[in-house]
This record gives sequence, C-alpha cells and structure tokens, in this order.
Amino acid sequence: AQKITQTQPGMFVQEKEAVTLDCTYDTSDPSYGLFWYKQPSSGEMIFLIYQGSYDQQNATEGRYSLNFQKARKSANLVISASQLGDSAMYFCAMLRSNDYKLSFGAGTTVTVRA
Amino acid sequence: NAGVTQTPKFRVLKTGQSMTLLCAQDMNHEYMYWYRQDPGMGLRLIHYSVGEGTTAKGEVPDGYNVSRLKKQNFLLGLESAAPSQTSVYFCASSYLQDYSNQPQHFGDGTRLSIL
Repeated sequence: AQKITQTQPGMFVQEKEAVTLDCTYDTSDPSYGLFWYKQPSSGEMIFLIYQGSYDQQNATEGRYSLNFQKARKSANLVISASQLGDSAMYFCAMLRSNDYKLSFGAGTTVTVRA
Repeated sequence: NAGVTQTPKFRVLKTGQSMTLLCAQDMNHEYMYWYRQDPGMGLRLIHYSVGEGTTAKGEVPDGYNVSRLKKQNFLLGLESAAPSQTSVYFCASSYLQDYSNQPQHFGDGTRLSIL
C-alpha cells in the first residue's frame, strides 16, 4: 500500500522568508505523480504544483518549487518570499499510474507572521 | 463553467438514516474520487472511478457505496449513517492519461453531521 508522510503538523514562517514543507512517500511503482495542494481556511482545495516520477528537473510554479529526490522518495515543497495569504493547510498527494489511486498526506498547517 | 459541483453543501442526519451525496462535473473527466476529511488526518480516499460504469475501493470504503452510471456523475451513498461518518466530504475529478498537467479539480465539499 502506498503511504504519504508529512511530518510537520504546523509551521510558522516570517513574511518574505522561504519555508520548506516535507513530504515523503512510499511506493514500489515505477510511475507515479506527486502533487501539492493548498487548503485555506475557506476550505477549497487549490492545486499548486506537480512532479512526475520520470521528470528530470524539479518542478517550479511561480513562488512554489518542488525539491524532488527520487532515491530518497521525498517531494518537499518550497514556498519562497512567503506572504500572509500563504497561511493555509498544505497537502502532499501521490497518484499511482497503474490504478489511478490518488492518496494524500495528513497535511501541514503554515502560519505566516507579519 | 461550473467545474465540480457537490450537492448538498450541508446535511444533518440521524444515526441509521440513509442519504446520497451527488458529485457532478461538466469537464468530461474520466476519473472521479470521493474523499473524507477529518481533523488531523488529511483527505482519505473512500472510493474512486476510472470511467463510466466502474468503481474501486479506496482506503476507507466501509459503510459507503458508490455508483457511476453516467460519466459526469459520481454518487456516494451512506446506507445506515453512523456518528463516525461525520466529516467533510470532497469530490474530485481529472482527465485520463493526462494527470501530468491536468490536476484534480475539487468540489467545495459537503459538511455532513450524524447525530
């Protein structure tokens, strides 16, 4: 069974600083996709960034980048230049390509301080 | 463009009652998923579907049934509601074979309370 682990229940970060959210995964499948989602207090799920297991380069989307270390099975999210609006819950998720099952980690709550 | 629509948004049930949650998407997506979200546990996959007429179990399927009779709709049923099923339920959908640049689209959630 696949497992997604986010070891940081909550983090505080100063405005304009960078923050790294940890995500490790466990799968024996060679092909999979990794996603990060943001869930603000309003409750909706917002897609942030995607990394494919065969992608050679780390994914980037604006202030978001994904530090993908395949051998270590980690897919950490880096948010640069944090803003107050970044305060939210962040989820790491993995999609297996053999059965299309999408599973999520427990999430990390980020609080940005002014 | 409605995207993914969940009905209802809120519901209170008594133990033992039954109900059906409806998820409708207008993007012609093949994949559809039902999750429940509980405090401190993230989103847990209940059931999912990779196409019309197909369903599969996720991580926490017990107590739930699903149906995908039409491509655009994915129904989640609770036959005999229990307090442990109090949760926020999310539906999501995505394209087949194109998940690399087409992320899952989520509905706004259904807040369900079982008394």
